Amino acid sequence: GAVVSQHPSWVICKSGTSVKIECRSLDFQATTMFWYRQFPKQSLMLMATSNEGSKATYEQGVEKDKFLINHASLTLSTLTVTSAHPEDSSFYICRPETGAHNEQFFGPGTRLTVL
Amino acid sequence: GEDVEQSLFLSVREGDSSVINCTYTDSSSTYLYWYKQEPGAGLQLLTYIFSNMDMKQDQRLTVLLNKKDKHLSLRIADTQTGDSAIYFCAESNTDKLIFGTGTRLQVFP
Repeated sequence: GAVVSQHPSWVICKSGTSVKIECRSLDFQATTMFWYRQFPKQSLMLMATSNEGSKATYEQGVEKDKFLINHASLTLSTLTVTSAHPEDSSFYICRPETGAHNEQFFGPGTRLTVL
Repeated sequence: GEDVEQSLFLSVREGDSSVINCTYTDSSSTYLYWYKQEPGAGLQLLTYIFSNMDMKQDQRLTVLLNKKDKHLSLRIADTQTGDSAIYFCAESNTDKLIFGTGTRLQVFP
C-alpha cells in the first residue's frame, strides 16, 4: 500500500509560537490533501481540503489565518499552526486523496501539545 | 446535518465475536467504511460497503448494512488481543468522510 509520512510525529511548543507539520505521500502524487484533527477521545474532524497549486478550502469554524495550508507540490502538503494556544493541542492527521474509495491512506499523525 | 454515532466502549473475551454498531443520518451516503486506530497512530481502512449492499464479508470481518434504519455494524469473528483498538465508522457521498465517534474495543484473555 501507499506510504504517507508526517513530520514531526510529536511536538511540544510554548503558547504563541508557530508549528509546521509536513505531510508527504511517498509513492504517489496527490492533487488533493485532507487535514483532520482529533481531540483526545474524540473522532476525526475535517479541518480543510487543499489542492496543489491553489488555496485550501476550510471547514466551518476553522480559522484559515490560524491554520495555514500550503500544497506546493504533488507529494508535499504542510499545515502551519500559527500562534498556537493550549486549545490547539490535538492530533493532526493528513490523508492524500487517491481517487479510489477503497484505497485510503492516512498519515500516522502529529501530536501537538501547546504549553 | 450529518451525524454518525457509535457506542463508546466494548469489552469481549478473546475468541468471542465482537459486534460494533454505528448509526448515521445521511441517506445519500454512497459508501460506508470501517477503520481501526491503534494508540497514537493514524487510521487504517479495514473494509467498506457500497450503499446498495446488505452485507459484505472479508475474512474475519462481516459488515451489515440496514439502509432503511441507517444502521451499520462490524462483526469481528474470533476476536484476538491484537484487535484491541478504536474502531471508527464513516460515511461519504463525495470525497469528504464523516467519521463516527469511535468505539474502543478491549479484548481480554
